Amino acid sequence: DAGVTQSPTHLIKTRGQQVTLRCSPKSGHDTVSWYQQALGQGPQFIFQYYEEEERQRGNFPDRFSGHQFPNYSSELNVNALLLGDSALYLCASSFDPGGYTFGSGTRLTVV
Amino acid sequence: QQQVKQSPQSLIVQKGGIPIINCAYENTAFDYFPWYQQFPGKGPALLIAIRPDVSEKKEGRFTISFNKSAKQFSLHIMDSQPGDSATYFCAARVDNAGNMLTFGGGTRLMVKP
Repeated sequence: DAGVTQSPTHLIKTRGQQVTLRCSPKSGHDTVSWYQQALGQGPQFIFQYYEEEERQRGNFPDRFSGHQFPNYSSELNVNALLLGDSALYLCASSFDPGGYTFGSGTRLTVV
Repeated sequence: QQQVKQSPQSLIVQKGGIPIINCAYENTAFDYFPWYQQFPGKGPALLIAIRPDVSEKKEGRFTISFNKSAKQFSLHIMDSQPGDSATYFCAARVDNAGNMLTFGGGTRLMVKP
């Protein structure tokens, strides 16, 4: 049984570009949350999707947007990339309202 | 605004020692407190969690102590092993407000052989 799968594992983007990160939740999980983890810091909550709707959002600008598909997979989009967006982006899935399973993350570097 | 403060930032112990990691929170609405372990290149993995109606919880070599009046909780790792070397995060959640976790800043633990 696969856990949470994230793609790509690493990518490098230029300031001002846009990026899309993808997440496939653990089998049986219907809720997907996204976190940003800067180097040496704890994860920060971006937003959560349930039933294809954004249910909860953290303190992140509108440049960060997402989507959840009918198969529960999810995308995180970041527009107008800044150097400060460089981080590990973690996807976590759960069966509402259960505990999380985290993926291994996507390492985004903005140059 | 950091609502969960974690200390120390780093910790070195000898094999068999008992590292202790402390966390303090501000939001009294928090009612679920998990600890996560993260290895390099991996996502956080749930270790153990506690609710504020108990003062202590043990799972294997890991123990959480919880002090509701002081708004503090701590993780103790008994008989620590080199394989326990990782970054540990405390977190907190308001149980009826979705699954959003507020994490502490992390503690990098090294257990020397």
